[in-house]
Amino acid sequence: DTAVSQTPKYLVTQMGNDKSIKCEQNLGHDTMYWYKQDSKKFLKIMFSYNNKELIINETVPNRFSPKSPDKAHLNLHINSLELGDSAVYFCASSRDRGRGEQYFGPGTRLTVT
Amino acid sequence: RKEVEQDPGPFNVPEGATVAFNCTYSNSASQSFFWYRQDCRKEPKLLMSVYSSGNEDGRFTAQLNRASQYISLLIRDSKLSDSATYLCVVLDNDYKLSFGAGTTVTVRA
Repeated sequence: DTAVSQTPKYLVTQMGNDKSIKCEQNLGHDTMYWYKQDSKKFLKIMFSYNNKELIINETVPNRFSPKSPDKAHLNLHINSLELGDSAVYFCASSRDRGRGEQYFGPGTRLTVT
Repeated sequence: RKEVEQDPGPFNVPEGATVAFNCTYSNSASQSFFWYRQDCRKEPKLLMSVYSSGNEDGRFTAQLNRASQYISLLIRDSKLSDSATYLCVVLDNDYKLSFGAGTTVTVRA
């Protein structure tokens, strides 16, 4: 039974399109995150929600908008996709905020052409 | 200056060898420290937390030196399955995790 799942696993799209990535966790965790891992392999936090409340909002273009309909789900919508958005996007969750023990989803590999 | 710096490697070692590597972090107020493991094209997975007194988990030993702001990981009796990228991770006092770029370890038969 997958703890943190993401869909889709792969996403290939053209510049200018709008796309969404969905994430769900069945661990009963309060906190969820979106990370971006670029071609240099650095993982960078983008957003975090705790019980549906946005608690971390890094310097990310406002084309990226997270939404948390409930504490088990965190989606990421990206408008007007650019070439530089190509990366692997990981969702993660933790029991509560401020935890270093995080559980990651399998990632969504986004390629913008 | 990057918040967390690691030697990217690769460390190429034979089975059964011991391999060790460090990372340094820049924020002296950092609260907690971790090693994660990431296999090629997979998600990061928590390997172990790092405690001030140092800690072991089987063949893995982690050490923290707060004064010099570095963390180390030592792998004894390396197995082929230990081949991966090891990410040094620091939890800062603003509840954010900062990841190093990773140290690649390849264990050969």
